[in-house]
Amino acid sequence: GAVVSQHPSRVICKSGTSVKIECRSLDFQATTMFWYRQFPKQSLMLMATSNEGSKATYEQGVEKDKFLINHASLTLSTLTVTSAHPEDSSFYICSARDFGRSSGRGEQYFGPGTRLTVT
Amino acid sequence: DQQVKQNSPSLSVQEGRISILNCDYTNSMFDYFLWYKKYPAEGPTFLISISSIKDKNEDGRFTVFLNKSAKHLSLHIVPSQPGDSAVYFCAASEVGLTFGQGTILTVHP
Repeated sequence: GAVVSQHPSRVICKSGTSVKIECRSLDFQATTMFWYRQFPKQSLMLMATSNEGSKATYEQGVEKDKFLINHASLTLSTLTVTSAHPEDSSFYICSARDFGRSSGRGEQYFGPGTRLTVT
Repeated sequence: DQQVKQNSPSLSVQEGRISILNCDYTNSMFDYFLWYKKYPAEGPTFLISISSIKDKNEDGRFTVFLNKSAKHLSLHIVPSQPGDSAVYFCAASEVGLTFGQGTILTVHP
């Protein structure tokens, strides 16, 4: 299947600093990417939809000024957690749709995730 | 408000038997449903999907059933194998995906 990578896989930062997470589609172009967050022992929650060349669409309750999303190209979306706090510690996962390969519009390919720990 | 629910947090099955994982949803706007398998500290892996215009989709050992009137879908794995042990999430699509809470499947040798 299609490959989506994330970098870094794990990051530890101090409270108040900003962290950037990259999501790349390696063998297909993705006009739309999605960012999810998973708390321990809970389901994945959609944070925002990242659209190439336009502003991201945030889900209700997600602070757009805190979680900055930039979809710079058809293969790269970045999530920046600004002024991180311990409560932002979580597992962040991106996904992308490969419209050229997907059998249906809902099929998404996920990155391996980034574990963020804010101390 | 949980729009996609997996009411069984865990399921234990003997190798070779059938595993049945269930999922209920409330949003009638969902028209595409998917099952994902997930290991700890990894991203979900797509397993199988079904469009709302169908009631069954089969792929090898995996079959997904959709009952639109009951807003219920299920994943059948037969025969179950120890390597199937993982967390299984159902998801429903409107724009992004809305996930259920997951069911931990353990397949015993």
